Amino acid sequence: EVQLMESGGGLVQPGGSLRLSCVASGVTFTNGWMSWVRQAPGKGLEWVANIKQDGSERYVLESLKGRFTISSDSAKNSLFLQMSGLRVDDTAMYYCTTGSYWGHGTLVTVSS
Amino acid sequence: EVVMTQSPNSLAVTLGQPASISCRSSQSLVHTDGSTYLNWFQQRPGQSPRRLIYKVSNRDPGVPDRISGSGSGTDFTLKISRVEAEDAGVYYCMQGTHWPPYTFGQGTKLEIK
Repeated sequence: EVQLMESGGGLVQPGGSLRLSCVASGVTFTNGWMSWVRQAPGKGLEWVANIKQDGSERYVLESLKGRFTISSDSAKNSLFLQMSGLRVDDTAMYYCTTGSYWGHGTLVTVSS
Repeated sequence: EVVMTQSPNSLAVTLGQPASISCRSSQSLVHTDGSTYLNWFQQRPGQSPRRLIYKVSNRDPGVPDRISGSGSGTDFTLKISRVEAEDAGVYYCMQGTHWPPYTFGQGTKLEIK
C-alpha cells in the first residue's frame, strides 16, 4: 500500500522558515515525479513545486521562486520543501503527492 | 499559464440522479506527444484530494464506473451517472500538459440532496 506522510508544518511568524518533509512507503522513489500542492483555508488547490525523483529536474511556482526550494533524498524515500521568507498568505495545508497518491497534508500557519 | 475554468461553482443533486461538471482550459490540452493531460480530483470534506480520472477518461483504481470523464481540446466533462451520498465534496480539474505550472480549476462543490 502506498503511503505518503508529511511533517514539519506548524506556526511560524512572518519572515520565518520551515522545512516540510514527506516520507513515501510502498512506492519506488527512483522514477517519476513528486509534487507539493497547497490549499489555503477554504480555498482551492495550488501546485507549488515538483521534482523528478532522481533529482535531475525540479520546478517551483514562479511566484515562489527565491523563497521555496524542493529537494529529495531517494535513499530515504523522502521529499522536502524548504520555505523561507514566509508570508501570511503562505498559510495552507501542504500536500505531498505523486499525482495518483496524496498524503494527509501538513498545516503551515504564518501569523504574528 | 493555462487557466482552468469550471462550471458550475456548485450544484445540488438528488440522490440517484446524474451530475455533470464542466471544465474549460484557456488553450488546447493536447500535448505534442498526442496525449491530453487532464485529470479530475475529488476532495471529500476533511480529506485529502483523490484522483478519479487521468488523461481525460481513464479511471483510477477503485473509482466506480458510474463516474466518467470525457472531452477533448479545451472542453472536458466529469459525469456521475447516479449520485450517491459518498460523492459529496469538491471536484477539481487539473491540466498537466503545459507545465510548469500545473493548474487547477477553482473547484465545483457537489451537494447531495
